[in-house]
Amino acid sequence: AQTVTQSQPEMSVQEAETVTLSCTYDTSENNYYLFWYKQPPSRQMILVIRQEAYKQQNATENRFSVNFQKAAKSFSLKISDSQLGDTAMYFCAFMKLNSGNTPLVFGKGTRLSVIA
Amino acid sequence: NAGVMQNPRHLVRRRGQEARLRCSPMKGHSHVYWYRQLPEEGLKFMVYLQKENIIDESGMPKERFSAEFPKEGPSILRIQQVVRGDSAAYFCASSPGLGFYGYTFGSGTRLTVV
Repeated sequence: AQTVTQSQPEMSVQEAETVTLSCTYDTSENNYYLFWYKQPPSRQMILVIRQEAYKQQNATENRFSVNFQKAAKSFSLKISDSQLGDTAMYFCAFMKLNSGNTPLVFGKGTRLSVIA
Repeated sequence: NAGVMQNPRHLVRRRGQEARLRCSPMKGHSHVYWYRQLPEEGLKFMVYLQKENIIDESGMPKERFSAEFPKEGPSILRIQQVVRGDSAAYFCASSPGLGFYGYTFGSGTRLTVV
């Protein structure tokens, strides 16, 4: 079974600064996807960024980028130029690649506070 | 496109009552997934359904919980004889079909058992 570990329950960052959230995972699979989801107080789960394990290049979406280290089974999220609207819970998630969709396995989350 | 619609947004039930949570997937999506989020936890998979079929229910508790996705109408997650430990946020996600297209999540239903 796959597991996802987020070792930082809470973090804070000054507005406009950069912050990195950690995520490690355990799997015997070779083909999979990794995700970061954002959950603001509204409770909506919002996809931030996605990485395919077979791609060596790190995914980037505007101010969000990842550092994917497949051998180390590490998948950290970097948020640049932090904004107040980035305040939320952030969840790392794993999905085994199959012929169809398979369930997401989530970490316990990191609560990020952006301070003005 | 209205996205994934879940209702009610909040549901309060007394111990022993039944809870029914509804999920209408995005237009064109025929695959529905239910997840449960306990306080201060990540989401945990419960069940995966296609129209009229349960594909994977490995995350569903063996008793009191059931799910359906009829040919017409929303998917329903049903919890019978609720207990305090059932208090959680329940999320539904949908996807178009086989092959990975990603998931779209609803805003969840927060169930409180008093």
